[in-house]
Amino acid sequence: DAGITQSPRYKITETGRQVTLMCHQTWSHSYMFWYRQDLGHGLRLIYYSAAADITDKGEVPDGYVVSRSKTENFPLTLESATRSQTSVYFCASTPSLQGRDTQYFGPGTRLTVL
Amino acid sequence: AQSVTQPDIHITVSEGASLELRCNYSYGATPYLFWYVQSPGQGLQLLLKYFSGDTLVQGIKGFEAEFKRSQSSFNLRKPSVHWSDAAEYFCAVKSRGSTLGRLYFGRGTQLTVWP
Repeated sequence: DAGITQSPRYKITETGRQVTLMCHQTWSHSYMFWYRQDLGHGLRLIYYSAAADITDKGEVPDGYVVSRSKTENFPLTLESATRSQTSVYFCASTPSLQGRDTQYFGPGTRLTVL
Repeated sequence: AQSVTQPDIHITVSEGASLELRCNYSYGATPYLFWYVQSPGQGLQLLLKYFSGDTLVQGIKGFEAEFKRSQSSFNLRKPSVHWSDAAEYFCAVKSRGSTLGRLYFGRGTQLTVWP
């Protein structure tokens, strides 16, 4: 019963490199989200997905790309990493849009861009 | 535009003391309200949530929160803090009419507990 997992947990990369952060959930939740957490900003939504092959932008999508070919996976790619993308990234999922449904969060990936 | 305000960036309390973390929201209508806790190096864990009904909500780990419509507040409380409560706490809201179900988060309150 793994729930929602993220990999890697820690990543150091260099400016200009492509980086992919993985998110996997075992619940078959339809909805998945990527947030970034920065000091003083709380969590901000990068991208979300309502189902396989359905994705859309959140508050801070620039510099990021997502895909969702399978319900359980929602990878986030930084096509050309910049220092401003140094952050902690959280993936979340929820079964439906009903208000009572809770979002469940992964453990996060700490990304450092040098 | 919706917003969530946690006015206290950092709070320090002694173990055994009571705790109150403040959260105010700005929304067109009463949203769904949540408190999450993030322990060091961990993801976010749901402490409690408010949807409707009784304005005093009980959560896990001995936490409770009170919804006050007149003040647009949803403050988190605990009568006696334990050292293991040291963490960052996030208030979040979700629109009742949301077509996405996305959460809006406050900036977080870091709690330090002195032994």
